[in-house]
Amino acid sequence: AQSVAQPEDQVNVAEGNPLTVKCTYSVSGNPYLFWYVQYPNRGLQFLLKYITGDNLVKGSYGFEAEFNKSQTSFHLKKPSALVSDSALYFCAVRVAPRAGGYQKVTFGIGTKLQVIP
Amino acid sequence: EAGVTQFPSHSVIEKGQTVTLRCDPISGHDNLYWYRRVMGKEIKFLLHFVKESKQDESGMPNNRFLAERTGGTYSTLKVQPAELEDSGVYFCASSRDRAVGELFFGEGSRLTVL
Repeated sequence: AQSVAQPEDQVNVAEGNPLTVKCTYSVSGNPYLFWYVQYPNRGLQFLLKYITGDNLVKGSYGFEAEFNKSQTSFHLKKPSALVSDSALYFCAVRVAPRAGGYQKVTFGIGTKLQVIP
Repeated sequence: EAGVTQFPSHSVIEKGQTVTLRCDPISGHDNLYWYRRVMGKEIKFLLHFVKESKQDESGMPNNRFLAERTGGTYSTLKVQPAELEDSGVYFCASSRDRAVGELFFGEGSRLTVL
């Protein structure tokens, strides 16, 4: 079975400081990894994904994430936080599909990011 | 292009009643997914349609839940009869490519069962 762990319920960071939202995963096989963001009263929006290749992936709104296979992690980062980044962030994983195969996407519990002015 | 739309945005019903949630995916997206988030918990997979066929319904909690996607366009999720533990936010998502593509989510339908 595949799973995602987001160990922090909430992350607080001062505006302008770097931020990190942690995610670790477990899959049987190569992972496809995703980050989504949910603003209040909105649906989830895709931020970025890792499929293969460069371990550092860049996404929307200046966010980036680093895939670390040995630590089975995919932490979300941003060099300088904005107040408007305050939202709920979800990490997600699925196993890379084999020919004709299918696996659903599994989401974490979410981490609330609060950026303090 | 129009995004994924869900209706209603919020439904309050009593235990034992029936509720039907609707999802209109992005035009051209063959893949349609239903997820549910109970307060403070993870977003849990319910089922996946490819066009009108159920690809995976392993996440459906029990036979009180019925999902349909007639004609491969919009989908409905019916809960009958509703129980207290069915309360939560039901998200619909669609994608063009089920292999590597990201999911496009609707704003969710919040269900409150009293």
